[in-house]
Amino acid sequence: EVQLVESGGGLVQPGGSLRLSCAASGFAFSTYEMNWVRQAPGKGLEWVSYISRSGSTIDYADSVKGRFTISRDNANNSLFLQMNSLRAEDTAVYYCARRGDLAHDIWGQGTMVTVSS
Amino acid sequence: SSELTQDPAVSVALGQTVRITCRGDSLRSYYASWFQQKPGQAPVLVIFGQNSRPSGIPDRFSGSSSGTSASLTITGTQAEDEADYYCNSRDSSGSHYVFGPGTRVTVL
Repeated sequence: EVQLVESGGGLVQPGGSLRLSCAASGFAFSTYEMNWVRQAPGKGLEWVSYISRSGSTIDYADSVKGRFTISRDNANNSLFLQMNSLRAEDTAVYYCARRGDLAHDIWGQGTMVTVSS
Repeated sequence: SSELTQDPAVSVALGQTVRITCRGDSLRSYYASWFQQKPGQAPVLVIFGQNSRPSGIPDRFSGSSSGTSASLTITGTQAEDEADYYCNSRDSSGSHYVFGPGTRVTVL
């Protein structure tokens, strides 16, 4: 079964850090581009970050640039998001999503990040 | 503000047809994809490319595009189609992805 499973979410104070992980299974992880997408409570979807198959090309939304770092470990079929200098407005469910042909075709179940004192 | 716009909400009678529209300059150059999201669940891809459906998506879902608009049509809407629907494409620069604000579909 093709599957993405996120982990690492939780409660963190403003200014703190958190590292999210996304474990991929059921497909050739290294052959797919990957993304992180988030959704604040009661709000819409927001694209956060992109990484190419090899990890050589990376991109971020302006709202997280300079604070978040995306990376991947193709040997262990894993995607990561290092989040530093967290703000209240980063509170959201974070999803990892596989980029297939022309669309984000597989999504994980999401992991909740709450930034609050 | 999003570079893609959608009507906030639409209602449809059971068994009837509903069209959801997404507008944005980038749609002139890039295909939109469409996601269905039910409360407490992850988004599910329902339409991508010119008008393609992933395996398992009923054929009552279809997509179209023209100029700076893309549309998702549900023909013969079922009760289980009640959900939020998001369009997704690239932004006008082509370098970032962007989502529309979503359309809530209510089935009467």
